[in-house]
Amino acid sequence: KQEVTQIPAALSVPEGENLVLNCSFTDSAIYNLQWFRQDPGKGLTSLLLIQSSQREQTSGRLNASLDKSSGRSTLYIAASQPGDSATYLCAVTPGKSSGDKLTFGTGTRLAVRP
Amino acid sequence: DTEVTQTPKHLVMGMTNKKSLKCEQHMGHRAMYWYKQKAKKPPELMFVYSYEKLSINESVPSRFSPECPNSSLLNLHLHALQPEDSALYLCASSQVPREGRIGMFFGPGTRLTVL
Repeated sequence: KQEVTQIPAALSVPEGENLVLNCSFTDSAIYNLQWFRQDPGKGLTSLLLIQSSQREQTSGRLNASLDKSSGRSTLYIAASQPGDSATYLCAVTPGKSSGDKLTFGTGTRLAVRP
Repeated sequence: DTEVTQTPKHLVMGMTNKKSLKCEQHMGHRAMYWYKQKAKKPPELMFVYSYEKLSINESVPSRFSPECPNSSLLNLHLHALQPEDSALYLCASSQVPREGRIGMFFGPGTRLTVL
């Protein structure tokens, strides 16, 4: 059974810092990995999608990397801003035929202090 | 249009009520999903529809009844719920896996409170 873990569970940083969020998964047979942002009580906003054949994706101040063989992904946020405060979730889509099932990580709650 | 819409935004219901949650997307996605999310937890998959047919039911109690009337709409019918069913209910859609570069698009959710 796929298990997805995110470290740290919570993070508080001053504005302007560069930071890294970590995601690890136990089964490397994935189809893709997606990073989401969730504001309190709201839905999920897709940030970046990395296919299993890709190593990284970039969007603005965000960069996500994928090392499928080691079961790891990182989300790098450059020059953090208070508006980045949210919960960040990674999720993997299985590569096996059984799967429309997205498995979510446990999430990282980020607070960026002005 | 890259949006998934959900109605209502908030719902309060008693344990004997019958209500429905609605979800709509116009991205041409043929896979649609219902997730349940409790506070400070990741979303948990409930149901998956692929080409308007139920493909995954994660052993959800029968008091939750999904329906996919067409490729753009997804409903979740609620009946005789329990207070522990109070949660944020999220709808999502995607291309059917292995038919394209899928990404999951989520709606804003319905905050359900069962009294």
